[in-house]
Amino acid sequence: SQTIHQWPATLVQPVGSPLSLECTVEGTSNPNLYWYRQAAGRGLQLLFYSVGIGQISSEVPQNLSASRPQDRQFILSSKKLLLSDSGFYLCAWSAWWDTGYQETQYFGPGTRLLVL
Amino acid sequence: AQKVTQAQTEISVVEKEDVTLDCVYETRDTTYYLFWYKQPPSGELVFLIRRNSFDEQNEISGRYSWNFQKSTSSFNFTITASQVVDSAVYFCALGGLYNTDKLIFGTGTRLQVFP
Repeated sequence: SQTIHQWPATLVQPVGSPLSLECTVEGTSNPNLYWYRQAAGRGLQLLFYSVGIGQISSEVPQNLSASRPQDRQFILSSKKLLLSDSGFYLCAWSAWWDTGYQETQYFGPGTRLLVL
Repeated sequence: AQKVTQAQTEISVVEKEDVTLDCVYETRDTTYYLFWYKQPPSGELVFLIRRNSFDEQNEISGRYSWNFQKSTSSFNFTITASQVVDSAVYFCALGGLYNTDKLIFGTGTRLQVFP
């Protein structure tokens, strides 16, 4: 079966510090990978998605970036955090098939980030 | 433009009551997918159901049931005999035909079930 991991679970960082959040998926190959952010009491905002190694699409202009160095690893980074970067960050994966049809996204446990 | 509306921000019920969570969507696509996710206090989004636009058959899974009505662009979720463990935020989402079509989430409905 497939599992998705995220770490760290919680993080408190000062403004201006760098950020690195990691997401890994087990039990599947060539998954589609996604990063979402959820601000307190609000819905989900898609930040990045990836259909393959080195292929990253950005949905929202911001000071965040994403990378996919390995097939099942997705990293969210920032060089300098802003107060507005605080939130709950969720990684998700979905299966990739030749058809390219929409598949269910499965979410990880999330990382709570507080920027002070 | 695609849009998902969950008009109920918060619902409170007493255990064993039935509760329906509303979801109304807008899309110009003829083929699309609809999803429901549950977000318990721990934060992880738990997948509940995926339905494509060609299948309007209602679905029942234990105490959960879903009513998909294309004519009214609604995909409502009913919990029968609610339990305290059902307390969570529930999200409805709309996706296009292809996996490059991003999911559009509603703002969620917070359900509180009191003993």
